[in-house]
Amino acid sequence: EPEVTQTPSHQVTQMGQEVILRCVPISNHLYFYWYRQILGQKVEFLVSFYNNEISEKSEIFDDQFSVERPDGSNFTLKIRSTKLEDSAMYFCASSENGGTQQFFGPGTRLTVL
Amino acid sequence: ILNVEQSPQSLHVQEGDSTNFTCSFPSSNFYALHWYRWETAKSPEALFVMTLNGDEKKKGRISATLNTKEGYSYLYIKGSQPEDSATYLCAFPPDSNYQLIWGAGTKLIIKP
Repeated sequence: EPEVTQTPSHQVTQMGQEVILRCVPISNHLYFYWYRQILGQKVEFLVSFYNNEISEKSEIFDDQFSVERPDGSNFTLKIRSTKLEDSAMYFCASSENGGTQQFFGPGTRLTVL
Repeated sequence: ILNVEQSPQSLHVQEGDSTNFTCSFPSSNFYALHWYRWETAKSPEALFVMTLNGDEKKKGRISATLNTKEGYSYLYIKGSQPEDSATYLCAFPPDSNYQLIWGAGTKLIIKP
């Protein structure tokens, strides 16, 4: 069964460093998403991506964040200058169409020291 | 601020018993309601996407109902098994775009 994959599973970085989180969505899906969950808090939407552009983003997704689909398979989230409060579990998801069920990857745990 | 509420926060159920829990969401401009099951160390697994008032969906021993007029959905588990232990999350798209607003989840623990 096709699944969303994410790498790395755990990333530790120093405050101020750039990180890139990688995702491979399900191959025939057209919509891609990033969510995060800070420990003990609700899952939060970051950004949705369709047709090679951002379709929606939350207030969390400020200028420090960017997304890219560099080739036909990868979908990346870049944080330019990490802050302590960026420590969270980051989930990538994809869906066949907008509004249909979203399939989630296993997440990347980002720890900012 | 749109909010999705789930109750209870956690639930301990004896194996074999049936249980249910609630998701409340804003009833205006309803588009859909998603239910996910999230086991520790795994990714959230989609259970249902519900769109119609009065809809009832079923997947094995798990079923869900939807009331869009009053803004709630119930998730039912019949004859709980240890493998049902997980956090059950509901999520709600607040508009025709596809971001999801998430509830905090109901953590279900099945006692053997």
